[in-house]
Amino acid sequence: QKEVEQDPGPLSVPEGAIVSLNCTYSNSAFQYFMWYRQYSRKGPELLMYTYSSGNKEDGRFTAQVDKSSKYISLFIRDSQPSDSATYLCAMSAPGRDDKIIFGKGTRLHILP
Amino acid sequence: NAGVTQTPKFRVLKTGQSMTLLCAQDMNHEYMYWYRQDPGMGLRLIHYSVGEGTTAKGEVPDGYNVSRLKKQNFLLGLESAAPSQTSVYFCASTGGTGTLYEQYFGPGTRLTVT
Repeated sequence: QKEVEQDPGPLSVPEGAIVSLNCTYSNSAFQYFMWYRQYSRKGPELLMYTYSSGNKEDGRFTAQVDKSSKYISLFIRDSQPSDSATYLCAMSAPGRDDKIIFGKGTRLHILP
Repeated sequence: NAGVTQTPKFRVLKTGQSMTLLCAQDMNHEYMYWYRQDPGMGLRLIHYSVGEGTTAKGEVPDGYNVSRLKKQNFLLGLESAAPSQTSVYFCASTGGTGTLYEQYFGPGTRLTVT
C-alpha cells in the first residue's frame, strides 16, 4: 500500500461548481497535511496546510483532515478557470522524518 | 529575492553523457531537496540535505549524486545519463523541521536523454 493515494483524474467541472479533491494515507504519524497547486510547466506552490485534524478555510478553499479515517479533502467553492491546475496533497511527520510525502496529483479542468 | 532558481532550464543529453544541475536559494533555508516528476508517477524524492555538508538518499537515488558544499546551493549530478532519466527535475527548499510543510520549489529543469 502506498503511503499516500490520490486519484490522478483528470477532473472536469463547469465554472462555478464546487470541487472536491481527496487523498487517503496509511501512516498515522503524519501531522502536517498540505495541498500544493501546480500550474502547467511550473513548480508546485503551497496552497494551504493543516496541522493535525480539523478544517481550515482560506477564501474559496477549505481543507479538511479526518485522522480517524486517514482521509483529507480540499474543497474549492465557486470554481474559476484560473483554478485549472494539478493539485497535489502532501503530508509530513516532523520530528520523525525530514521529508514530505506527495500524492501523485489530480489534474483539474474548470470549463468556462 | 529570487527564491529558488535552477540552472539550466532545458537540456538534451546523449546516453552516457554527464551533467550537473544547479539549485540555488536565497532564503537562508537549511533543508534542500531534489525531485523528479514523471507522468503518472508524481513527485519522487531523489536526494535531500538537512544542512551544509550533509546529504541523504530519497526514494529514487540510483544514478544520481549530490553535493551541498554551500548552504545556498544544492547540486545534482548525473554521471552517465540513461533514457530512463528523462524527466522534469525540481529543486525545493524549506527552513527546517518547524516549517517542513512549506517547501519552495524552483521552476524545474526539463531533461531529455536520447
